[in-house]
Amino acid sequence: GENVEQHPSTLSVQEGDSAVIKCTYSDSASNYFPWYKQELGKGPQLIIDIRSNVGEKKDQRIAVTLNKTAKHFSLHITETQPEDSAVYFCAAKRDTGFQKLVFGTGTRLLVSP
Amino acid sequence: DGGITQSPKYLFRKEGQNVTLSCEQNLNHDAMYWYRQDPGQGLRLIYYSQIVNDFQKGDIAEGYSVSREKKESFPLTVTSAQKNPTAFYLCACSTSGSSYEQYFGPGTRLTVT
Repeated sequence: GENVEQHPSTLSVQEGDSAVIKCTYSDSASNYFPWYKQELGKGPQLIIDIRSNVGEKKDQRIAVTLNKTAKHFSLHITETQPEDSAVYFCAAKRDTGFQKLVFGTGTRLLVSP
Repeated sequence: DGGITQSPKYLFRKEGQNVTLSCEQNLNHDAMYWYRQDPGQGLRLIYYSQIVNDFQKGDIAEGYSVSREKKESFPLTVTSAQKNPTAFYLCACSTSGSSYEQYFGPGTRLTVT
């Protein structure tokens, strides 16, 4: 089955710096890759996703890149702000029939003012 | 958390007691999911349901049970057979079995002593 590895487990940056979180997946048939943000005591919320027919997607300060050959995808946050502090999860799934989302183990991002 | 609710937010039980966690959604989504979240382990799938009156085991179903009698509701029972029930439990829903975004509830933190 699918396995998703996520690194780093914790990431500390200064406000205004960029942050990059990386994930690798094992199932070459996976073609949907979402990123979720979870604030303390709350449920995760989707912030951006990418499908395998594109290599990069951007939404304001966040972007996701996908390298299908290497089976890895990354989340990039530019101009970080204290409110970006949260736990971020990557996930992967096939987009055929009913396939479950497989999540990475999460990255705790701390943005210091 | 948009249209999916979980109650209560905190739940305390004595060891050996069954406990039921509530999950309700008004998004008219067909599929619903239960995840367990432990520190450093990401989200693990307990049970999922694609349609009313149907559900399947996820990766860690032992010691848990569910029902799906109504489209809007997917309660999870943590039985006394679950060896380590203390955790943060998240419910989610999505539009259909092969759809993409999963919408998460705010979670229930269960503590069993």
